[in-house]
Amino acid sequence: GENVEQHPSTLSVQEGDSAVIKCTYSDSASNYFPWYKQELGKRPQLIIDIRSNVGEKKDQRIAVTLNKTAKHFSLHITETQPEDSAVYFCAARPSGGYNKLIFGAGTRLAVHP
Amino acid sequence: EAGVAQSPRYKIIEKRQSVAFWCNPISGHATLYWYQQILGQGPKLLIQFQNNGVVDDSQLPKDRFSAERLKGVDSTLKIQPAKLEDSAVYLCASSLGSGASSYEQYFGPGTRLTVT
Repeated sequence: GENVEQHPSTLSVQEGDSAVIKCTYSDSASNYFPWYKQELGKRPQLIIDIRSNVGEKKDQRIAVTLNKTAKHFSLHITETQPEDSAVYFCAARPSGGYNKLIFGAGTRLAVHP
Repeated sequence: EAGVAQSPRYKIIEKRQSVAFWCNPISGHATLYWYQQILGQGPKLLIQFQNNGVVDDSQLPKDRFSAERLKGVDSTLKIQPAKLEDSAVYLCASSLGSGASSYEQYFGPGTRLTVT
């Protein structure tokens, strides 16, 4: 079945450094790739997304890149701040179906002051 | 606009008991999703409604889980009887629809279920 793998599972960086989280997906026809941020005890919040007809998208300090040939996409956070500390989930929307999302297992990002 | 609402926020039950969760989606959102999030994992889709019809329940353990969205707005998810492995956060999400202009899903705060 459809699968999304996410790496690394934990990531520790110093404030101001960059952080990169990578995901691979199995369904080559997947066409939508959102990223969610989940703080402890809170709801997942959509922070950025990308569609399969776009290779890169930026929003201030965060960016997402998509490589359809390799079936992977990445989240890039620049100039990290302590408030970026959270669990980040990638997801992919497989072809067919009705807007189903398959989530990765999550990456726990810790930004140290 | 108001977000997705869920209740209760926390629930503790003993195994073999039953429990129900409630969700009210963002106003105007036709599609409603129930996800199960086990500690340390990503959300897993249990069931998806388009208005008041089920469009995907392939991962719903139908021997014990049921869900309904009778009037196409709010929804309830029920577990009967509960097992220890049902301990998780149950997240409700909604989206405008399922067409290309409405892929974004917005999540509620979740219900944390503990089965003892």
